[in-house]
Amino acid sequence: AQSVTQLDSQVPVFEEAPVELRCNYSSSVSVYLFWYVQYPNQGLQLLLKYLSGSTLVKGINGFEAEFNKSQTSFHLRKPSVHISDTAEYFCAVKTGGGNKLTFGTGTQLKVEL
Amino acid sequence: DTGVSQDPRHKITKRGQNVTFRCDPISEHNRLYWYRQTLGQGPEFLTYFQNEAQLEKSRLLSDRFSAERPKGSFSTLEIQRTEQGDSAMYLCAGGDGQGSGNTIYFGEGSWLTVV
Repeated sequence: AQSVTQLDSQVPVFEEAPVELRCNYSSSVSVYLFWYVQYPNQGLQLLLKYLSGSTLVKGINGFEAEFNKSQTSFHLRKPSVHISDTAEYFCAVKTGGGNKLTFGTGTQLKVEL
Repeated sequence: DTGVSQDPRHKITKRGQNVTFRCDPISEHNRLYWYRQTLGQGPEFLTYFQNEAQLEKSRLLSDRFSAERPKGSFSTLEIQRTEQGDSAMYLCAGGDGQGSGNTIYFGEGSWLTVV
């Protein structure tokens, strides 16, 4: 069975600073990896996904993530955050041939002035 | 806008009452999922449909929960004899099933509060 660990429950950061949200996964088979963002009282919006190919994946709103198979990680990064990036971020994994996403517990990104 | 709509967005009910949530994905979404999310947690898988067939159910889906997708389009999730522990956001998601890496698109969620 697959699992996802998001190591930081909260990440405070000043506006225009860079940020990295960490995600590690556990799976014995090939995986597909996703990052979703959730704003207060809303559903989840897809930020980016890794299916195959280049390990550096670019998403919406200036976010990117790098798939590292040896370290079983898929960390999310943004070089310069904005107040509007304040939200909950979820990493999720799906195995090849599997039908469902397994989510981490989320990281609350709080951008401060 | 993912094209997945859920109704109602908010529901307050008394313990012991039945509630039903509806999900309308876009026509291309032959796959439909229900997830549950409680405060401070990530979404947890409940069940999955491919067209009208319910192919997978989580152990979280007790016998008080039932989901249907009668014509392979919209879906309903019913909770009978609600308990306070059922209070959560219920998320519906659709996917087009293009390969195993198909992307899942979520609706805005339906908040349930059991008092």
